[in-house]
Amino acid sequence: DGGITQSPKYLFRKEGQNVTLSCEQNLNHDAMYWYRQDPGQGLRLIYYSQIVNDFQKGDIAEGYSVSREKKESFPLTVTSAQKNPTAFYLCASQTAFEIYGYTFGSGTRLTVV
Amino acid sequence: GNSVTQMEGPVTLSEEAFLTINCTYTATGYPSLFWYVQYPGEGLQLLLKATKADDKGSNKGFEATYRKETTSFHLEKGSVQVSDSAVYFCALSWGTGTASKLTFGTGTRLQVTL
Repeated sequence: DGGITQSPKYLFRKEGQNVTLSCEQNLNHDAMYWYRQDPGQGLRLIYYSQIVNDFQKGDIAEGYSVSREKKESFPLTVTSAQKNPTAFYLCASQTAFEIYGYTFGSGTRLTVV
Repeated sequence: GNSVTQMEGPVTLSEEAFLTINCTYTATGYPSLFWYVQYPGEGLQLLLKATKADDKGSNKGFEATYRKETTSFHLEKGSVQVSDSAVYFCALSWGTGTASKLTFGTGTRLQVTL
């Protein structure tokens, strides 16, 4: 079955460490997105990529980095510069036809310990 | 800029009650509108969508009508079930093709009790 796989489901990070969240899709979707979800704040866009080897900052990109070396993969690195990284992170993708909306992964919950 | 405003939650209903979750939007142009549902610990699933004024999206007994004159896309269901307990997000899509992006409301938690 086609879909988006995020791993791990739970991730713990020590202060000052970088961590990378994985996002893989086999839907042949062109565009991929990373959102951060905090209680009561909805979803906020971190980064997005419309095509391989290209990506743009979203609304809250500071402290995060991404790469898009393959169409199927869009990993997100949470760096030590991100001051409040504890959150639920969601990856999404869509085709070139935006009217179909996004397909979301099941999310990664990151906790700083 | 583009924005989505949803009613505050949580919304608590008894099983078989009628549900309305209000959603209004601000946008330039003619966005597509969506409702997503999120069950505990999971990602978002597309519930329904509408791409132009007066379109009605429907799925699993839920409905929403794209009202351009009131800039609204309220979610309704005639008879809720305990299994409908989740967080519901209204969203609008702006831009075209792969350049399009979704703007979400803050979500409304629905709790359905027996």
